[in-house]
Amino acid sequence: DGGITQSPKYLFRKEGQNVTLSCEQNLNHDAMYWYRQDPGQGLRLIYYSQIVNDFQKGDIAEGYSVSREKKESFPLTVTSAQKNPTAFYLCASRKKGGTEAFFGQGTRLTVV
Amino acid sequence: KNEVEQSPQNLTAQEGEFITINCSYSVGISALHWLQQHPGGGIVSLFMLSSGKKKHGRLIATINIQEKHSSLHITASHPRDSAVYICAVKSNTGNQFYFGTGTSLTVIP
Repeated sequence: DGGITQSPKYLFRKEGQNVTLSCEQNLNHDAMYWYRQDPGQGLRLIYYSQIVNDFQKGDIAEGYSVSREKKESFPLTVTSAQKNPTAFYLCASRKKGGTEAFFGQGTRLTVV
Repeated sequence: KNEVEQSPQNLTAQEGEFITINCSYSVGISALHWLQQHPGGGIVSLFMLSSGKKKHGRLIATINIQEKHSSLHITASHPRDSAVYICAVKSNTGNQFYFGTGTSLTVIP
C-alpha cells in the first residue's frame, strides 16, 4: 500500500540535543511538507520541498533544518536552537500539479 | 490574520444529531479539503472539493466558491465521529496549504 510513514510516533529528548524526525513516502510524490501543530493552532508550515535537492523555508523555519537527498525521504531535524520544540509534527506530500495532500501519522516530540 | 477560519471551535452533540461545521477562507483556492484527526494524531482526508457538493456515507461537504465558504455536515452522528475536523485550502497562487484551527467534536451516546 502506498502512503507516508513517519517515525517514531513518540519521541523524547533532553533539552539541548538535536533530534531528527523521519518521513518516507512511496507515492512517487514530488512535493513534501513539514508542519507543526500546537494546541489551539492550525498547522504551521516549517519547510517544504518541491523537488529533490531543493527546499524552501515555511513560516516557522527557525531552529529547524531539512534535507531532500531522495524523492522518497524528507527528514526534519529539530535543533537545539528551536526555543520550544515540544509539539506534534506532521509530514505531508503532494503529487506534482495535484491539489490533494496526503498526511503521515505524525510524531509527538517531547523535550524535557 | 488566519487565511482559514472555522466555527465552532468546540462542539458537543448527542448521538443521532445532525452536525454542521463551517469554514470560511480569504485566499484564492484551487481546492478545499476536510480532514479528520483522531486523538492519536494521524490525519485522514475526508473530502477534496473545488465546487458543489460531495457525499460519503453520513458525511456531506459543500462549497460556495463565490462566498468563499464550505460546510461539513454529519447526519445521524455517532460517538465514533468524535474527532477534530480541520478545513484546509490549497492556494491557487503557490504551493502552500492553509489550515483552520480545527473543530473538536464530541458525540455523546
